[in-house]
Amino acid sequence: GQQVMQIPQYQHVQEGEDFTTYCNSSTTLSNIQWYKQRPGGHPVFLIQLVKSGEVKKQKRLTFQFGEAKKNSSLHITATQTTDVGTYFCAGRNSGYSTLTFGKGTMLLVSP
Amino acid sequence: NAGVTQTPKFQVLKTGQSMTLQCAQDMNHEYMSWYRQDPGMGLRLIHYSVGAGITDQGEVPNGYNVSRSTTEDFPLRLLSAAPSQTSVYFCASSILAGGGYEQYFGPGTRLTVT
Repeated sequence: GQQVMQIPQYQHVQEGEDFTTYCNSSTTLSNIQWYKQRPGGHPVFLIQLVKSGEVKKQKRLTFQFGEAKKNSSLHITATQTTDVGTYFCAGRNSGYSTLTFGKGTMLLVSP
Repeated sequence: NAGVTQTPKFQVLKTGQSMTLQCAQDMNHEYMSWYRQDPGMGLRLIHYSVGAGITDQGEVPNGYNVSRSTTEDFPLRLLSAAPSQTSVYFCASSILAGGGYEQYFGPGTRLTVT
């Protein structure tokens, strides 16, 4: 079955440093989504990427979808303590298939 | 809109007991899902539904049943609880947007089976 691998599992940064998490799929994806989960909270949808090579930005967050549609990344510039949480990628094989989640990257930001 | 609501928030069961986790959404979403989240395991799909009267199994369906009699409600039933079902359970509902479904999660039910 489809597998979605996410690295690193955990990262601890100082406030102001950059952060990147990477997502790799064993199969070609039709789209990939990113979610953020704060400690004790529920996953919250951040963005969806559909096109090969797509890049989207949300303030300090930059999301990329690989040319082969098998990998993706989330980059946070100048982290803030409000960025603390676990970031999940989730991929679909086709528009109507189920989502497969990566295991997430836990981000801790020290002031 | 309340979005996706789940009850109860916390539950403790003894092995062998049965219970139903409730999930409701008021966004008229066709697609609903149940996930469980365990430490280091991410989110794993239990069951999902693409509309009223239609359900299907996900990655980890054993020990769970679902039904979808209305668009709004998607209850998850634990038939005979086991300690391995100790987990956090999230219900999600989805719209079809931009070529795929973006999911909205409920606040979760934290279940402990002793």
